[in-house]
Amino acid sequence: QSVLTQPPSVSGAPGQRVTISCTGSSSNIGASYDVHWYRQLPGTAPRLLIFGNSNRPSGVPDRFSGSKSGTSASLAITGLQAEDEADYYCQSYDSSLSGWVFGGGTKLTVL
Amino acid sequence: QVQLQESGPGLVKPSETLSLTCTVSGDSISSYYWSWIRQPAGKGLEWIGRIYTTGRTNYNPSLKSRVTMSLDTSKNHFSLNLSSVTAADTAVYFCARDFGAAAPFDSWGQGALVSVSS
Repeated sequence: QSVLTQPPSVSGAPGQRVTISCTGSSSNIGASYDVHWYRQLPGTAPRLLIFGNSNRPSGVPDRFSGSKSGTSASLAITGLQAEDEADYYCQSYDSSLSGWVFGGGTKLTVL
Repeated sequence: QVQLQESGPGLVKPSETLSLTCTVSGDSISSYYWSWIRQPAGKGLEWIGRIYTTGRTNYNPSLKSRVTMSLDTSKNHFSLNLSSVTAADTAVYFCARDFGAAAPFDSWGQGALVSVSS
């Protein structure tokens, strides 16, 4: 059971918008620690997608955006494309564990 | 551009110690923070621990009693030892870099599958 809670799966048609939620607690997201998002394709390492709640690394399209409020964060993907099919993970720091915690991951299916 | 590469035995017997090394190229290990993260097949990511260039470490409390991390600046690599392994430790093990505080992992190794079996 992960410290951060994500929906196991989300889906959307090409061109649509989907959001993935990440719910934490007062010892991680709610304690004002940044949330980061990663995308993982099968058989590969996770790749940083969003850092510091809402910032995109160089090369990540602006179709991807992140937000944070209270003890939760969200990743939004607009203009869905087939290549967006992947697993998505959120990550934050947890003060009670003194370490990094991840969400359980969300599998995005493009219909 | 920094590159990380995990290496080590792909098969470890139960109760023995899992040992992996992450070799860093394109940057000096004498900067930043270096972590190990694992992922059992079909499951999510679990942070194992982190080491800084000074040798200071932070470990996941759930694994702390079995984990030891070290680094060798002369070889530009860092290592993971996980003792008393069981089948539950079977996973892909990734090494990764971050810039400290609550920064993200910006560079990852490709991952190394380690199976625990007799």
